[in-house]
Order: sequence, then structure tokens, then C-alpha cells
Amino acid sequence: AQRVTQPEKLLSVFKGAPVELKCNYSYSGSPELFWYVQYSRQRLQLLLRHISRESIKGFTADLNKGETSFHLKKPFAQEEDSAMYYCALGGSGTSYGKLTFGQGTILTVHP
Amino acid sequence: KAGVTQTPRYLIKTRGQQVTLSCSPISGHRSVSWYQQTPGQGLQFLFEYFSETQRNKGNFPGRFSGRQFSNSRSEMNVSTLELGDSALYLCASSGWQNGGNEQFFGPGTRLTVL
Repeated sequence: AQRVTQPEKLLSVFKGAPVELKCNYSYSGSPELFWYVQYSRQRLQLLLRHISRESIKGFTADLNKGETSFHLKKPFAQEEDSAMYYCALGGSGTSYGKLTFGQGTILTVHP
Repeated sequence: KAGVTQTPRYLIKTRGQQVTLSCSPISGHRSVSWYQQTPGQGLQFLFEYFSETQRNKGNFPGRFSGRQFSNSRSEMNVSTLELGDSALYLCASSGWQNGGNEQFFGPGTRLTVL
């Protein structure tokens, strides 16, 4: 079964501080992992996917298959980073098209 | 490209009624997935359609159904509405760019059941 765990429901940091949003997953196959972000009054949008290994808005995430984790990191948080962040696990084969989401972490960056 | 659109944006229904929600995917995308978002359960997968065929279904009762048309537009239907069906219903489309599950979400339809 696919499962995604985001242990922190709320995370508060000050502007300029490093931030790490944790994500652990459970999946027997080859995982495809994503981070989605939802800013206030906006639609859910893709932030990162592990396959592309790129940095978006200063965020990076590395897939650690040994620890089954996909933590999201940013060295210097900005106030505009305040949002809800979801980690999501994509299926493969017959489960294509199904994303399993974590419960989400609300990040608040204080000035 | 225009993004995923959903209509209507808001709906108010009473228990026992049925409702149909519509989703238009990004042009060229053939996969449409539906999710239910609630404060308590978060985002839960309902079903996914590809080329007019349902390929995956989540753990929801049979009152929840969907379909996809030849132009990839999709509808979902909920019959015999219950109070617990009040939620934000999201649809997402995927073009399987780069061979992955990358999904693009619509703004959602907010359903309130009274």
C-alpha cells in the first residue's frame, strides 16, 4: 500500500532561517515523489518532482530510498514561502494517475 | 496553455440530492484524476480516467462515479448526497510529460451539503 507521512502539521520559522519539511513514504515499488504547494486562495501547484532534481524558488528535495524520505529544504526562508505544503507519492504501472498525499504541513515564515 | 478548469466553483445541495461536477483538462492531456479534500481526511484519491476508461479507483462508495468524454473532459457524479460529502473536489490532468505522474490541478468545486 502507498502511504505518505508528514509528521509536522505546523512549522514556524523566522525569515532568513533554514527550513526543512519532512516527508516519509511507504511504497514497495519504485517511487515517484512530488512536493505540491498551496498558497492562500490559490490552487494546488507542483513545486518539485524528484526525477527532475531541480531547485524551484530556492527549494530542493532529495530522495533517500534507504530512509524512505523526501524532505523539502530551503536554506533561507522568505515570508512569501508561507503556505501549505503537501508531499505526494505517484503510482506506477496500474496505479498511474493516482497520487497519495500526506496530511500537509502549514509553513509560516515570520518577519 | 490554459489551465485545468472546473465548473461550477460552488454548489449547495441538500441531503439525498445528486450532483454533477465538471472538469476540463489542459489541452492535449488525456488523464484526469479526481480528489476529495476535507480538513479531517486531507486529499484523497477518488478515481482516474484515461482515454475514456477508468483505470484506478479509490476507496469511496459506489455513490461516487465518473466518466470521461472523447475530448478528455470529465465529470464526476455523487448520488444520494450525505452531509459528509461536503468537501472541495479537485480534478487534475496529466499529459505524462517526461513519463511521470506530474499532475496539474484545477481550482476545485466547493460542495456544501445541507
